[in-house]
Amino acid sequence: AQSVTQLGSHVSVSEGALVLLRCNYSSSVPPYLFWYVQYPNQGLQLLLKYTTGATLVKGINGFEAEFKKSETSFHLTKPSAHMSDAAEYFCAVSSMEYGNKLVFGAGTILRVKS
Amino acid sequence: DAGVTQSPTHLIKTRGQQVTLRCSPKSGHDTVSWYQQALGQGPQFIFQYYEEEERQRGNFPDRFSGHQFPNYSSELNVNALLLGDSALYLCASSLPASFTDTQYFGPGTRLTVL
Repeated sequence: AQSVTQLGSHVSVSEGALVLLRCNYSSSVPPYLFWYVQYPNQGLQLLLKYTTGATLVKGINGFEAEFKKSETSFHLTKPSAHMSDAAEYFCAVSSMEYGNKLVFGAGTILRVKS
Repeated sequence: DAGVTQSPTHLIKTRGQQVTLRCSPKSGHDTVSWYQQALGQGPQFIFQYYEEEERQRGNFPDRFSGHQFPNYSSELNVNALLLGDSALYLCASSLPASFTDTQYFGPGTRLTVL
């Protein structure tokens, strides 16, 4: 079985500050890990994904995430928050053994203060 | 290049009714997955279609059924609607050959059951 826990349903940062959104996963098989962003009244857009290889993954809009197997984590970071980053962020896990269905966390709403 | 499209955008039904939601995948994609996103939650996998057959299914009752057409478009049908079926229904398309392939999401259909 696979599951995802996102720590913090709401995160608030100031514009220009570091963004850190936390994601821990549980998987009995090698995981594939994803971060998606959802703007109000829109679908999900992929920010980045980890499948194999380099554990530090860079995505769109300046975001990156690091796969840490020993900590079962895949935290999302961005050095400097922009107002346009305000949205809801979802971490998800899948695997070859479970097909490519995505198992999502509950989401973290990011608020950026001016 | 057209992305994933879904129709209708919004839908209001009453308990006990039946509903059909439609999805057209991204050009070149032949695998379609459906997800239910209840308010304040992450998306939950309903099922996935490939080559006009249901390839995987999540933990949803038989009231939820689907279909995929030869042009790869797909329908989600829900019978005997319950209040708890109110949610955003997301369609995602991908290529079947790789389990690491990105799933591209449509904007969703907002279903309200009264």
